[in-house]
Amino acid sequence: DQQVKQNSPSLSVQEGRISILNCDYTNSMFDYFLWYKKYPAEGPTFLISISSIKDKNEDGRFTVFLNKSAKHLSLHIVPSQPGDSAVYFCAALIETSGSRLTFGEGTQLTVNP
Amino acid sequence: DTAVSQTPKYLVTQMGNDKSIKCEQNLGHDTMYWYKQDSKKFLKIMFSYNNKELIINETVPNRFSPKSPDKAHLNLHINSLELGDSAVYFCASSQEGLWGYTFGSGTRLTVV
Repeated sequence: DQQVKQNSPSLSVQEGRISILNCDYTNSMFDYFLWYKKYPAEGPTFLISISSIKDKNEDGRFTVFLNKSAKHLSLHIVPSQPGDSAVYFCAALIETSGSRLTFGEGTQLTVNP
Repeated sequence: DTAVSQTPKYLVTQMGNDKSIKCEQNLGHDTMYWYKQDSKKFLKIMFSYNNKELIINETVPNRFSPKSPDKAHLNLHINSLELGDSAVYFCASSQEGLWGYTFGSGTRLTVV
């Protein structure tokens, strides 16, 4: 039972354009959502998060949007840069369950120069 | 100076062997984790320790045994390795009250 799903295994965009990575979840108990970025042969690195009481969080070129009614969140990267090419993982947690993260399967983003 | 370091980076071993993966964090975090990334690329939690105490123990074969000698170290010992244990294992740490993990770079285990 996969509670966090990223249905697009890959995404390719042109440098300077917007990248939109999507994530869907099924568990309405999730309190926080996080995005991680992973380069090959490295561990995932924390990128940005959003609380379930918010619908938007912005940090520089990265913005995460949360639509609780649709159980959907998205990560927008604008403008996209070649260095953004990586695997992006969506993750969620329930605050009362400690810090156990449930991850999606990741989306490979390729930004072409 | 690596924040979360795990060794070895690569491990190739035969079925039936026993192996250990070590993890150390120098961030002063309270909680450490082991995650497994399987062939389908899902990252799934295996264990979590808070100040040397086991707090999360997912449905993992008891061939896998974590050990935390102190809060900066969480090692993973695997007995009687099987082909299906082949995966990338990530160690991570976090500070209580903060939701972002710091991950190690992973250990790619291949069982032949």
